[in-house]
Amino acid sequence: KQEVTQIPAALSVPEGENLVLNCSFTDSAIYNLQWFRQDPGKGLTSLLLIQSSQREQTSGRLNASLDKSSGRSTLYIAASQPGDSATYLCAVRHHGNNRLAFGKGNQVVVIP
Amino acid sequence: AAGVIQSPRHLIKEKRETATLKCYPIPRHDTVYWYQQGPGQDPQFLISFYEKMQSDKGSIPDRFSAQQFSDYHSELNMSSLELGDSALYFCASSLVPRGGGGNEQFFGPGTRLTVL
Repeated sequence: KQEVTQIPAALSVPEGENLVLNCSFTDSAIYNLQWFRQDPGKGLTSLLLIQSSQREQTSGRLNASLDKSSGRSTLYIAASQPGDSATYLCAVRHHGNNRLAFGKGNQVVVIP
Repeated sequence: AAGVIQSPRHLIKEKRETATLKCYPIPRHDTVYWYQQGPGQDPQFLISFYEKMQSDKGSIPDRFSAQQFSDYHSELNMSSLELGDSALYFCASSLVPRGGGGNEQFFGPGTRLTVL
């Protein structure tokens, strides 16, 4: 069974600092990996999708890297803003099925 | 751009009652997924449908059933509700790329079910 771990579970950073969120997964036979943002009690907003053949994806201030062989992905958020405060979830799709297996999230607070 | 629509957004039921959640995928998407997120938990996959056929099944209780209709909308039916069914239920949709490759899942806002 695919296990997805996100470290740290929670972090607070001052505005302007870069954020580094880590995700690890136990089974490297993945099809792709998605990063999501979730505000309290709200839905999941897809931020980035990385295919298993890719090393990274970028969207604006967001950059996600993928090292499939070591079972790791990192989400970088440059020049953090208070509006970036949310929980960030990593999810992987394993070969052979189309379900996403989620980590428990990185809860981020950006302090103005 | 059109997003995934879920209804109702909030639902309150008593134990042993029945609930039906509806999901309208993004137009032209052919796959629908259902996930359950308990309080403080990560989303757990329940079931998915591709072109109206069940394509994958996760930890969905036997009391729950789901289907996808000819217009691609999906319904999750939940019977004999228990207190532990209280959760946020998400529907997601995706389009399988013609040339293969991974398909991005887009999530709806969720239905918050409270069982009293």
